[in-house]
Amino acid sequence: ELKVEQNPLFLSMQEGKNYTIYCNYSTTSDRLYWYRQDPGKSLESLFVLLSNGAVKQEGRLMASLDTKARLSTLHITAAVHDLSATYFCAVDKMNNNAGNMLTFGGGTRLMVKP
Amino acid sequence: DADVTQTPRNRITKTGKRIMLECSQTKGHDRMYWYRQDPGLGLRLIYYSFDVKDINKGEISDGYSVSRQAQAKFSLSLESAIPNQTALYFCATSDLWRGEQFFGPGTRLTVL
Repeated sequence: ELKVEQNPLFLSMQEGKNYTIYCNYSTTSDRLYWYRQDPGKSLESLFVLLSNGAVKQEGRLMASLDTKARLSTLHITAAVHDLSATYFCAVDKMNNNAGNMLTFGGGTRLMVKP
Repeated sequence: DADVTQTPRNRITKTGKRIMLECSQTKGHDRMYWYRQDPGLGLRLIYYSFDVKDINKGEISDGYSVSRQAQAKFSLSLESAIPNQTALYFCATSDLWRGEQFFGPGTRLTVL
């Protein structure tokens, strides 16, 4: 059974600081996704990582994937208040183009304080 | 217009009632999914469908059923609602190549 664990579960940080959210998973997969969820809202796709060594950046967020270590990181650079949200990683259990099934981590709730 | 829509957005019902949640999409995707979100538990897959004739159970399908009426429509039913089905329900679709899933706005369901 695929398990996906994120840590930390809750992160309170000051504006301007850097931090990393970790996503570990238990079985082989080359496809990992990061989503953002604002309170009471839907999930918004942030990054799609489809191979070992993939690195994607958007603004102050950078995601990477190490399939050998079964680890993805979401790095936050010089945090701003607008980044406050819950971040989820999700791993594709099926790992092929015939279909995909995502197993989600429990989420990391990020609060950025002035 | 939103690509993935869900109706209703909020619903309060009583134990034992039958409830249907509906999902429509204009993205042209074959794959559709229903998830449930509970606080602190992330999202859990209830059912998924890779095309109109394909329906599969997810990790928590007990107490739920689905219907894929067309490529664009995927409905979730609770035959006899119970209080522990109180949750936020999301529909999603995905594309063929990247597997990226696109989520609807969610339905907040409360079972009293």
